[in-house]
Amino acid sequence: AQTVTQSQPEMSVQEAETVTLSCTYDTSESDYYLFWYKQPPSRQMILVIRQEAYKQQNATENRFSVNFQKAAKSFSLKISDSQLGDAAMYFCAYRSFPQGAQKLVFGQGTRLTINP
Amino acid sequence: GAGVSQSPSNKVTEKGKDVELRCDPISGHTALYWYRQSLGQGLEFLIYFQGNSAPDKSGLPSDRFSAERTGGSVSTLTIQRTQQEDSAVYLCASSLRGGGSTDTQYFGPGTRLTVL
Repeated sequence: AQTVTQSQPEMSVQEAETVTLSCTYDTSESDYYLFWYKQPPSRQMILVIRQEAYKQQNATENRFSVNFQKAAKSFSLKISDSQLGDAAMYFCAYRSFPQGAQKLVFGQGTRLTINP
Repeated sequence: GAGVSQSPSNKVTEKGKDVELRCDPISGHTALYWYRQSLGQGLEFLIYFQGNSAPDKSGLPSDRFSAERTGGSVSTLTIQRTQQEDSAVYLCASSLRGGGSTDTQYFGPGTRLTVL
C-alpha cells in the first residue's frame, strides 16, 4: 500500500518570503500522480498543483512550484512571495495511474502560518 | 457552474443513532468519492463510485457504514448506530472521469459530524 508522510506538522513564514513544505511517499508503482491540496478554515480542499511521475519537469503554478525527486520519493512544495491568503493546512496526496485505485492517499498535513 | 455541495454542514447526534450525509457532485462528473477527516486518522478514503461500475468500498471502516449513489448523481453516506469515534469531517469529492492525468477531484465543504 502507498503511504505519504509530511514531517512538518506546522510551519510559519513572513509575508513575502519563501517557504518549502516537505513530503515523502512510499510506493512500488512506477507511474502515479502527486498533488498538493490546500485546506483553508472553510474546510474545502483546493488543488494547488499536480505532478505526473512520468514527467521529469517540475510543475509550477504561478507562485507555487514543486521539487519532484522520483528516486528519493520526495515531493516538496515551494511557495514564493507568501501572502496572507496562503495560510491554511496543506496536504500532499498520491494517486495511482489510471489502471490502479483512483483514491487519493493523503499525508497528515502541514499547517502554514503567514506572519504579517 | 456550482461546485460540490454537501448537507448538512454540521450534524450533532447521540450515540447509537443513524445519520445520513448527502453529497451533490458537480453536474456531469461521473466519479464520486467519500473521505473522512479525523484528528487521529487524518484524511482517509472511504468509498468511490465510477459510473455504473460496482463501487470501491475498500475504505469503509465497518459494516455500520454504507453509501449509495442514485441515478449516477447524488450520493448518501449512511452511518448506523453511530459511535463517538465516528466524529469527524466527512468530505465528498467528484471528478469528471475518475482517472487520467488531468482528472481532478473537486471537494465539497464537508459535513462535520459530532457524536455525543
